[in-house]
Amino acid sequence: GAVVSQHPSRVICKSGTSVKIECRSLDFQATTMFWYRQFPKQSLMLMATSNEGSKATYEQGVEKDKFLINHASLTLSTLTVTSAHPEDSSFYICSARDPRGGENTEAFFGQGTRLTVV
Amino acid sequence: DAKTTQPNSMESNEEEPVHLPCNHSTISGTDYIHWYRQLPSQGPEYVIHGLTSNVNNRMASLAIAEDRKSSTLILHRATLRDAAVYYCILREIYSGAGSYQLTFGKGTKLSVIP
Repeated sequence: GAVVSQHPSRVICKSGTSVKIECRSLDFQATTMFWYRQFPKQSLMLMATSNEGSKATYEQGVEKDKFLINHASLTLSTLTVTSAHPEDSSFYICSARDPRGGENTEAFFGQGTRLTVV
Repeated sequence: DAKTTQPNSMESNEEEPVHLPCNHSTISGTDYIHWYRQLPSQGPEYVIHGLTSNVNNRMASLAIAEDRKSSTLILHRATLRDAAVYYCILREIYSGAGSYQLTFGKGTKLSVIP
């Protein structure tokens, strides 16, 4: 079946540096991908909607200049956490849906990226 | 998206059936009922979804109340690998470009006892 792959699965970075997370749809094209963030013992919270060939749409309270999203192709979206701080440490998850499946089929999720900022 | 209510946690013995309830009293006629689960340190994975009729697949069964104000996810024989957080999510039928976001609640943490 369709698969969404995220890379890296975990990353540790120093405060003030930037980290890029990749999300790929492996056997389908996704004009739209979604980025979620999940803090320990909490649920997933949508951060932004990544649109191929256009600007991302950010949820309220998410800084677009800090969380840069690029969706340059139909199979790849990237999330860059710029000037990372310890409070950005979290589990980041991307999601996409195979449009060939019809209007209400399932979403596929990446395996997540555990970011630790030290 | 309409709101769902699930118990915070449940326990089950291994190899026994598990019934995970979800209340969605404000469901609209165009809301599908989706279930996803999230194993520890992984992204969520799809389990099952339905609209009005009960649904079965290789992973689970979904029983939907006649008035659609509640549903139950049924795992027929729980295994240790079924220990996860199970999310019940309502999703309106989407007639757009073919993609949609999901709003996750707190879900039910299922523990499976060997």
